[in-house]
Amino acid sequence: TQLLEQSPQFLSIQEGENLTVYCNSSSVFSSLQWYRQEPGEGPVLLVTVVTGGEVKKLKRLTFQFGDARKDSSLHITAAQPGDTGLYLCAGAGGGSNYKLTFGKGTLLTVNP
Amino acid sequence: DTEVTQTPKHLVMGMTNKKSLKCEQHMGHRAMYWYKQKAKKPPELMFVYSYEKLSINESVPSRFSPECPNSSLLNLHLHALQPEDSALYLCATRTGEYTEAFFGQGTRLTVV
Repeated sequence: TQLLEQSPQFLSIQEGENLTVYCNSSSVFSSLQWYRQEPGEGPVLLVTVVTGGEVKKLKRLTFQFGDARKDSSLHITAAQPGDTGLYLCAGAGGGSNYKLTFGKGTLLTVNP
Repeated sequence: DTEVTQTPKHLVMGMTNKKSLKCEQHMGHRAMYWYKQKAKKPPELMFVYSYEKLSINESVPSRFSPECPNSSLLNLHLHALQPEDSALYLCATRTGEYTEAFFGQGTRLTVV
């Protein structure tokens, strides 16, 4: 069974602070994705990382994929209230055809 | 067209009712998924269809019955549900095993 350990599960910060969310596994994944979900809506893809050691930036968000393709992190700089939501990491191609393995999620609240 | 459309958006049903959830995509994606999600939790995989054939059933109770009439449509037939089945039901599509998922907005199901 492939598991993705995501931490922290809950995070409440003030506007302007920085934060990092971690996603770790003992399995190797072909790709790892990060999604953001707002209440009552479906998850929306933020980024896909494929290459070990890869770093991708999306405005104030920085995503890293570990060299061994087993872990990833999401760093948000100067968080804003609009960043509030459930952040999910998901691993693909870890040996189970068509399964997309989700971490437990990080519920982020950014207070004004 | 990068949309996955789910209907209805909200559904309230009694424990003796029969209802169906619908999902439609026109992206030509060959894999289609049903997920169940409880509040503040990650999506839980229920079923996967690839090339219109059921490829994964995550030991889902028989009161949930999936159907894939064609490559654009995915249904979830519901019968004799329990109140604990109340959740957000998400449909997702993917082009292949290693790619990202595109989610619909979900159906908020309440069983009374």
